[in-house]
Amino acid sequence: DAGVIQSPRHEVTEMGQEVTLRCKPISGHDYLFWYRQTMMRGLELLIYFNNNVPIDDSGMPEDRFSAKMPNASFSTLKIQPSEPRDSAVYFCASSLWGNTEAFFGQGTRLTVV
Amino acid sequence: GESVGLHLPTLSVQEGDNSIINCAYSNSASDYFIWYKQESGKGPQFIIDIRSNMDKRQGQRVTVLLNKTVKHLSLQIAATQPGDSAVYFCAENAGGYNKLIFGAGTRLAVHP
Repeated sequence: DAGVIQSPRHEVTEMGQEVTLRCKPISGHDYLFWYRQTMMRGLELLIYFNNNVPIDDSGMPEDRFSAKMPNASFSTLKIQPSEPRDSAVYFCASSLWGNTEAFFGQGTRLTVV
Repeated sequence: GESVGLHLPTLSVQEGDNSIINCAYSNSASDYFIWYKQESGKGPQFIIDIRSNMDKRQGQRVTVLLNKTVKHLSLQIAATQPGDSAVYFCAENAGGYNKLIFGAGTRLAVHP
């Protein structure tokens, strides 16, 4: 397996624009996580899914953020409208039930100007 | 790369020395405590975990110690190598078996 695949690797957008980040988890994994990493706040859990169902979205900062998982092999994190303070590296990770080992993608570096 | 240039506490060691990275946690209800390593430009990578009913667990060149009395976790790396240079995070599964919450991280710098 190629591991967790995220796209794009880099995204630069203007304030107010919609941004969509994409993730393909490892085949067979039933948990998917979205994390955000910033200098100020470190690695924050935004939301996670189990079997494509959102379990805990308490880390989603605002209604501008939304995440979907339409099937077991694809998830999106959308920010609409984007703001400069959303600039961060966004990681997707997947794992199997009962495992503390989560596999992370390479991340998407988002810059909102 | 996808690192974020975090302003983190840094531990500097000489190649070949042993390293000890510390972490304080807050949630006594966590079942597992875990260490992850993040190299520059990459996502975090699992190193080792320890169940809450254990005090010590050993892996290859790494040992994790858990002190529940003072809510302290440590990662010991034996014979530290340049490839060990990275940011190290402790994490705990809190509020859900697979849900990982990460600590602030420590940067390990290994000098030849």
